[in-house]
Amino acid sequence: ILNVEQSPQSLHVQEGDSTNFTCSFPSSNFYALHWYRWETAKSPEALFVMTLNGDEKKKGRISATLNTKEGYSYLYIKGSQPEDSATYLCAFPYGQNFVFGPGTRLSVLP
Amino acid sequence: KAGVTQTPRYLIKTRGQQVTLSCSPISGHRSVSWYQQTPGQGLQFLFEYFSETQRNKGNFPGRFSGRQFSNSRSEMNVSTLELGDSALYLCASSLGQGPYNEQFFGPGTRLTVL
Repeated sequence: ILNVEQSPQSLHVQEGDSTNFTCSFPSSNFYALHWYRWETAKSPEALFVMTLNGDEKKKGRISATLNTKEGYSYLYIKGSQPEDSATYLCAFPYGQNFVFGPGTRLSVLP
Repeated sequence: KAGVTQTPRYLIKTRGQQVTLSCSPISGHRSVSWYQQTPGQGLQFLFEYFSETQRNKGNFPGRFSGRQFSNSRSEMNVSTLELGDSALYLCASSLGQGPYNEQFFGPGTRLTVL
């Protein structure tokens, strides 16, 4: 059974704080790692596709790094805003499907 | 460009009934995947269809089935519903198959089994 883990499970930060969380995945047979943001009552939205030869990915205040040798990816949010409140999921392609981590639920308090 | 749509959005059924959920992918997308999310669980992969063929199936009983039509629209069927089938069912479409293809999710169908 393939395990994709995320930590922490949940996180509460104040508006303006910077934060980061982790996705751990098997380091062998790596092709890509996907990050999604899932706001309540909305559809999961793709943030990044991290690939073997890729550098740090950035979208606005959100960035992600990848360490395929040790099997982890970090997602960083700089200067968190209330609209960043969501569950952040990572997904590891395995075979012909994706194995999702359980997510990190981020709450940004104004 | 229209996003992924799913119908119905909410559904209430009783044990033993069957249900069919529908997913319309983004125009031009040929791959449709289905996922189940239950409380406390991450997204669990059900199956993937590409060009009307089921390409991969997750670890779910045979009561869960699906199909894909020539226009890439997909349906998922669950027969003999059980209480544990209550969940949010999401479909996702992508241009093609493979680990690099970004998936675009629909809003989901919330199924409640009484």
